[in-house]
Amino acid sequence: AQSVTQPDIHITVSEGASLELRCNYSYGATPYLFWYVQSPGQGLQLLLKYFSGDTLVQGIKGFEAEFKRSQSSFNLRKPSVHWSDAAEYFCAVGSGTYKYIFGTGTRLKVLA
Amino acid sequence: NAGVTQTPKFQVLKTGQSMTLQCAQDMNHNSMYWYRQDPGMGLRLIYYSASEGTTDKGEVPNGYNVSRLNKREFSLRLESAAPSQTSVYFCASSERGVVDGRIGYTFGSGTRLTVV
Repeated sequence: AQSVTQPDIHITVSEGASLELRCNYSYGATPYLFWYVQSPGQGLQLLLKYFSGDTLVQGIKGFEAEFKRSQSSFNLRKPSVHWSDAAEYFCAVGSGTYKYIFGTGTRLKVLA
Repeated sequence: NAGVTQTPKFQVLKTGQSMTLQCAQDMNHNSMYWYRQDPGMGLRLIYYSASEGTTDKGEVPNGYNVSRLNKREFSLRLESAAPSQTSVYFCASSERGVVDGRIGYTFGSGTRLTVV
């Protein structure tokens, strides 16, 4: 069955430090992969997406993600975190039908 | 501003009451969706509408009904609210049909529903 796992429920980093949020998926075919961000009290905003081509994709707000087929991973990275990045981050898989499967989310806390 | 608008933002219901959550998008998107978000469970699809005039069940449709009133509007109805339906509800839309998994969604800001 298709699934998305975000192993870290909470992550805390200091402002200016680098960030990596993990996402592992299980899917039989080539997946379409997404990262969304949710600020408190807001809906989800698309950060970036991968569906083919270059395995390193750039998104908004300085985020990037790398698709690694051998590891079934699509980790989100940012070289230097800003306090405004504090939010909840969701990885999702699009299967080519209507179903997006969302991970359970990783809540990021940024220390000043 | 263009986007997905949900009303109301907050609602408290008593068990057994009914209500309708409203959603409208002004991006001329074909497909619309209703999700619920619960702590530790991510987002789960309740119902979706591939295009005007069609609706289909998602992962957790029990206790809900939907109406795709026109291309812009997609409402979610709770006929007899239960405490298990306490959640944050999100409406979303996408440009092309549901078969195109490459297209990201545009989300509304959510409705926080409490059933007591």
